[in-house]
Amino acid sequence: QKEVEQDPGPLSVPEGAIVSLNCTYSNSAFQYFMWYRQYSRKGPELLMYTYSSGNKEDGRFTAQVDKSSKYISLFIRDSQPSDSATYLCAITDTDKLIFGTGTRLQVFP
Amino acid sequence: DGGITQSPKYLFRKEGQNVTLSCEQNLNHDAMYWYRQDPGQGLRLIYYSQIVNDFQKGDIAEGYSVSREKKESFPLTVTSAQKNPTAFYLCASSIKENEKLFFGSGTQLSVL
Repeated sequence: QKEVEQDPGPLSVPEGAIVSLNCTYSNSAFQYFMWYRQYSRKGPELLMYTYSSGNKEDGRFTAQVDKSSKYISLFIRDSQPSDSATYLCAITDTDKLIFGTGTRLQVFP
Repeated sequence: DGGITQSPKYLFRKEGQNVTLSCEQNLNHDAMYWYRQDPGQGLRLIYYSQIVNDFQKGDIAEGYSVSREKKESFPLTVTSAQKNPTAFYLCASSIKENEKLFFGSGTQLSVL
């Protein structure tokens, strides 16, 4: 079993939709959670960083962590074509940092 | 502007040739990393460094070498021993090991 699992997609949604991106992890020692956005042939850009269970909001983005279920989510409200990218989750316990394989999102006008 | 600069953006390697990818950061970060990204795969860690003059192998270090002579710089050499070097290479840095990583814009390496 991989330590971090992420559905590769692609996920295709119409503009304005609410998008839900998810990762599951196996090690309960993980305590820091990040979401990155990567445009094609660019470096990943840090979107959200959280370390506690619950929700963290930043504009149209909400990161949700459920440590009891070992499940994290990124919600994008009012999705835009400019949100089309690959979204990677990253999870760390400071001893090691593990990336998910990424979910490719396409938002069509 | 603070950030991480990778160069070149595109690089071509001939058979038997060593090539070096540059990574410079002005964020005053202690930790630096090199990742390899292949299509449809996640990021795989090649090497990382927590401090000047020290570095550790990651998951796929064979065929690669690094140096960390200055805090700002962490070049990666892809040696001729790396038989499948075609990939997108990403350099990253963080204040402390395995904290929030900040990435450069990447180098696409291809074999001629």
